[in-house]
Amino acid sequence: RKEVEQDPGPFNVPEGATVAFNCTYSNSASQSFFWYRQDCRKEPKLLMSVYSSGNEDGRFTAQLNRASQYISLLIRDSKLSDSATYLCAVNNQAGTALIFGKGTTLSVSS
Amino acid sequence: GAGVSQSPSNKVTEKGKDVELRCDPISGHTALYWYRQSLGQGLEFLIYFQGNSAPDKSGLPSDRFSAERTGGSVSTLTIQRTQQEDSAVYLCASSSGLAGGQFFGPGTRLTVL
Repeated sequence: RKEVEQDPGPFNVPEGATVAFNCTYSNSASQSFFWYRQDCRKEPKLLMSVYSSGNEDGRFTAQLNRASQYISLLIRDSKLSDSATYLCAVNNQAGTALIFGKGTTLSVSS
Repeated sequence: GAGVSQSPSNKVTEKGKDVELRCDPISGHTALYWYRQSLGQGLEFLIYFQGNSAPDKSGLPSDRFSAERTGGSVSTLTIQRTQQEDSAVYLCASSSGLAGGQFFGPGTRLTVL
């Protein structure tokens, strides 16, 4: 199993749709989880941390399932501006850095 | 406030030359990271600095790669005798602690001809 794995997509959805991405991780001892957004030829930008109890930020909801070792990101009421690549990140075994998935591409169309 | 800055934004070099990439982290962030991202690939961890502790160099791909962090702030990543496979975007990030997430600079796009 790869350390952090994501479905590359692309996910093509219409405006207003709800879309969800999953990300699986292999290290059961991982403690820190994040979702990043990366636009084409730009740096990743921190979207949100993922907390054990789940957390919400506007239209975005992140959840953690420790038993099955995955995190998820739900986007409600998709906007054109949500089109981007979404990267999940999990701390490495040493706790010194993040391991990133290769990203899931989302394309929202009108 | 000011984010992470990196220079140069683009660097084109010839195979065999040495290059230096610079990163200026967010003020007050004690942790600094270097990653690289090749076309269509994920981010690959290179090196991590935390305060005055010994850096975690476990991600450096070869001994041609080295990095320094002077005075707990600015960092330089040096690649000696560059090879074509070194072509990538080199990203620097900083954080106040791993639990708070990392904040990335705009990257240096390195092209080795």
